[in-house]
Amino acid sequence: EDKVVQSPLSLVVHEGDTVTLNCSYEVTNFRSLLWYKQEKKAPTFLFMLTSSGIEKKSGRLSSILDKKELFSILNITATQTGDSAIYLCALIQGAQKLVFGQGTRLTINP
Amino acid sequence: EAEVAQSPRYKITEKSQAVAFWCDPISGHATLYWYRQILGQGPELLVQFQDESVVDDSQLPKDRFSAERLKGVDSTLKIQPAELGDSAMYLCASSLRLYNEQFFGPGTRLTVL
Repeated sequence: EDKVVQSPLSLVVHEGDTVTLNCSYEVTNFRSLLWYKQEKKAPTFLFMLTSSGIEKKSGRLSSILDKKELFSILNITATQTGDSAIYLCALIQGAQKLVFGQGTRLTINP
Repeated sequence: EAEVAQSPRYKITEKSQAVAFWCDPISGHATLYWYRQILGQGPELLVQFQDESVVDDSQLPKDRFSAERLKGVDSTLKIQPAELGDSAMYLCASSLRLYNEQFFGPGTRLTVL
């Protein structure tokens, strides 16, 4: 059975800290891995990773995929209160079926 | 900036009633998805369309749920009759083509009383 597991499920840090969110998976017909940020409404797209070892970067956020060990990490440096959200990892599998993890709830305290 | 549109944003209904949700994908996006997200969980795919054809509806409870995308553009998702366990956020997403990133609409939050 296809599985996407995120850890930790919940994380509370202080503003300015660096955080690393983890996503491990067992999926047949892997195509790509995506990260989304979800605040109070719909998920917003962050990154799409297809190749192993190539870091994607956007401002203070970066992500990398390891297709041998079947995991990805999302790093956020110099966190701000606006980074508080649920971060979702999802896999594009087979005919573009998107399989989501349960999410990591990140809280940044001032 | 192009966005996925959904309506209504909120819906409160009583169990056994019928409800319908509407989604208009980003213009030109061939693939459309309906997801259900229960509080505290990640979204779960209900149905996927490629143009007007259903590609995957294996997780759609077909005894009460139906979805259509008649002209390959906008789509409706219907629940009849609604049950208490259907309370959730219903998200629509679209992508330009296969294997591209999916963009989500604002969702419809359904509460069944």
